[in-house]
Amino acid sequence: GENVEQHPSTLSVQEGDSAVIKCTYSDSASNYFPWYKQELGKGPQLIIDIRSNVGEKKDQRIAVTLNKTAKHFSLHITETQPEDSAVYFCAASRGSQGNLIFGKGTKLSVKP
Amino acid sequence: EAQVTQNPRYLITVTGKKLTVTCSQNMNHEYMSWYRQDPGLGLRQIYYSMNVEVTDKGDVPEGYKVSRKEKRNFPLILESPSPNQTSLYFCASSARRYNEQFFGPGTRLTVL
Repeated sequence: GENVEQHPSTLSVQEGDSAVIKCTYSDSASNYFPWYKQELGKGPQLIIDIRSNVGEKKDQRIAVTLNKTAKHFSLHITETQPEDSAVYFCAASRGSQGNLIFGKGTKLSVKP
Repeated sequence: EAQVTQNPRYLITVTGKKLTVTCSQNMNHEYMSWYRQDPGLGLRQIYYSMNVEVTDKGDVPEGYKVSRKEKRNFPLILESPSPNQTSLYFCASSARRYNEQFFGPGTRLTVL
């Protein structure tokens, strides 16, 4: 069946460094790719999303790139800060249904 | 304030005792969804609803029921809970199926 693989599962960076999280998907009909951030004890929150008609999208320190041919998309966080520490989830839409498949998450730790 | 509310936030119960977790949103969203979150498995969708009286199975629907009689409410029903349903549950809503999902605060369920 369709799935989304996310790597790495944990990532530790120094404050000010960049962080990159990568996801691959299997459904060639997927056309919507959101990224969610989950802080401890809270529900996930959307931080950025991209649709298949766009290759890259940026919002301040956060950017997402999409390669539809290779079926992968990545989250880039520049100039990381301690408050970026959280679990990040990627997701992809299911072409045949009305729902999303989520990756298993990446725990990002930013050390001051 | 625009929000998704879930009740209860914490629940400890015993095997076989029927329970309902309520979910309500005040944003007039069409799309609502239930997820469970387990360590190492990320977010897995249980059921979703694209509108009133329209519900569909997600990836892990066994042992759960839902209903969507009103636009704002989407209760999750466990008719006969079992210990493998011990998990953290999130309700989410969005204006349409591939728009930003707003997550509730979560319900931590323990089935003994």
